[in-house]
Amino acid sequence: EAGVTQFPSHSVIEKGQTVTLRCDPISGHDNLYWYRRVMGKEIKFLLHFVKESKQDESGMPNNRFLAERTGGTYSTLKVQPAELEDSGVYFCASSPRAGTGELFFGEGSRLTVL
Amino acid sequence: GQSLEQPSEVTAVEGAIVQINCTYQTSGFYGLSWYQQHDGGAPTFLSYNGLDGLEETGRFSSFLSRSDSYGYLLLQELQMKDSASYFCAVRDSSYKLIFGSGTRLLVRP
Repeated sequence: EAGVTQFPSHSVIEKGQTVTLRCDPISGHDNLYWYRRVMGKEIKFLLHFVKESKQDESGMPNNRFLAERTGGTYSTLKVQPAELEDSGVYFCASSPRAGTGELFFGEGSRLTVL
Repeated sequence: GQSLEQPSEVTAVEGAIVQINCTYQTSGFYGLSWYQQHDGGAPTFLSYNGLDGLEETGRFSSFLSRSDSYGYLLLQELQMKDSASYFCAVRDSSYKLIFGSGTRLLVRP
C-alpha cells in the first residue's frame, strides 16, 4: 500500500511568486491534514479536510494560502503571493478517521522563498 | 493558548536508556501521541496514550499523567538508528493534533 506522497519535495521561488503543493493521501483515508514546520519550531497545524470539506482551517496563516481537495482525493495547497516567512517544510498527513492520535505523514515539501 | 514543552536536545550513549518529557497546556485533551522523525523524512507514529499509565511497544514506552498534564517517552537499549527528532502531540477537542517543537536525540557510540 502506497503511503502519503507529496510533490514537489523541494521548491525554491522568489518573493511574490506562486507555488502549489500537492498531497496524495493513503487511498481510502477521508481525513487529510496540512501542517507546516518553520525553522526547527513546532509542527504547526494548518487545516483539516474530511473528504472534500474543510473541517477546520483555524491554522491557515492568512488569505494568501488556499487549500483545496476537489473530489475528496488529493489536495493542493497554494501560496499566492509567497512571502519570505512562508519558507518551511509543509507536511501532509492522512488518517482513516478523525479524532485519532495516529496520523500517516508524507515526507514533506520544503519551500524556500528568496 | 495551547503549548507543549519538551527539551530541545538530548544526548545519550548507545545501549543506554533515555527519557523525553513533555508537558502540555491545551484546550481539551483527548490523548498524547509520540512521533519520530529522521532528518528529511516523514514523522512516524510511535505510540498513543489515551488514559493514565504506561504503554509499552518493544524498546519504546510512553507514559501519561493527565492530572499533571505530563507525559514521557522512554527509549531503552538505545541504538544509533534512534538518533532522530521526537515530537509529542496532543489531540485537542477539535480533533486536530497539536505538536511540540521536538526533541533532537543524539545517540553516541
